[in-house]
Amino acid sequence: SQQGEEDPQALSIQEGENATMNCSYKTSINNLQWYRQNSGRGLVHLILIRSNEREKHSGRLRVTLDTSKKSSSLLITASRAADTASYFCATVPPNQAGTALIFGKGTTLSVSS
Amino acid sequence: DTGVSQNPRHKITKRGQNVTFRCDPISEHNRLYWYRQTLGQGPEFLTYFQNEAQLEKSRLLSDRFSAERPKGSFSTLEIQRTEQGDSAMYLCASSLGIRATGTEETQYFGPGTRLLVL
Repeated sequence: SQQGEEDPQALSIQEGENATMNCSYKTSINNLQWYRQNSGRGLVHLILIRSNEREKHSGRLRVTLDTSKKSSSLLITASRAADTASYFCATVPPNQAGTALIFGKGTTLSVSS
Repeated sequence: DTGVSQNPRHKITKRGQNVTFRCDPISEHNRLYWYRQTLGQGPEFLTYFQNEAQLEKSRLLSDRFSAERPKGSFSTLEIQRTEQGDSAMYLCASSLGIRATGTEETQYFGPGTRLLVL
């Protein structure tokens, strides 16, 4: 079964605008990761945030984590048409050998020029 | 290195037939994962190998599914007696596991094999 849900399910914005996606999960985690998936290139890892971190940046990406609310958000600033894709959060339970990622259902982002 | 590759990219089969998919991970990666993704959903974990040892299997992996990684390099996923519910994208990922627990590894995904069972 899947860990949680992304919100919204779909998001349409104009180039240059910011896009915010939220992820809620159900159980305790070691870390939370965001992935992007488009039809041409498969799933690509974007960023990882540990359970003891609250915010992390990578280029135009900003991720926050609130473990008390079991939620995370991904902000993409100054969006581009190339950001059009589905975005998934994935969690990793604590004390687990290997990294069987538990994905949410994803947010489909459409950026129009 | 060209990344994780999967073959075939697409497979159409009739219900009841057997199918086999192959995954070639990034060459130095010792960990390999299989996931399944249906339309509108996120990937769901199926199974995981550390070198040639299959260390974890999901409940999703019924008796009709078998995965191998005989020499710790490429892996195959076989589905016997396919059912229409097996139609999905099958994704393979690999990672370099250094620590005993791999909780912060980055998994690199292949393009997937899309299976359609008629």
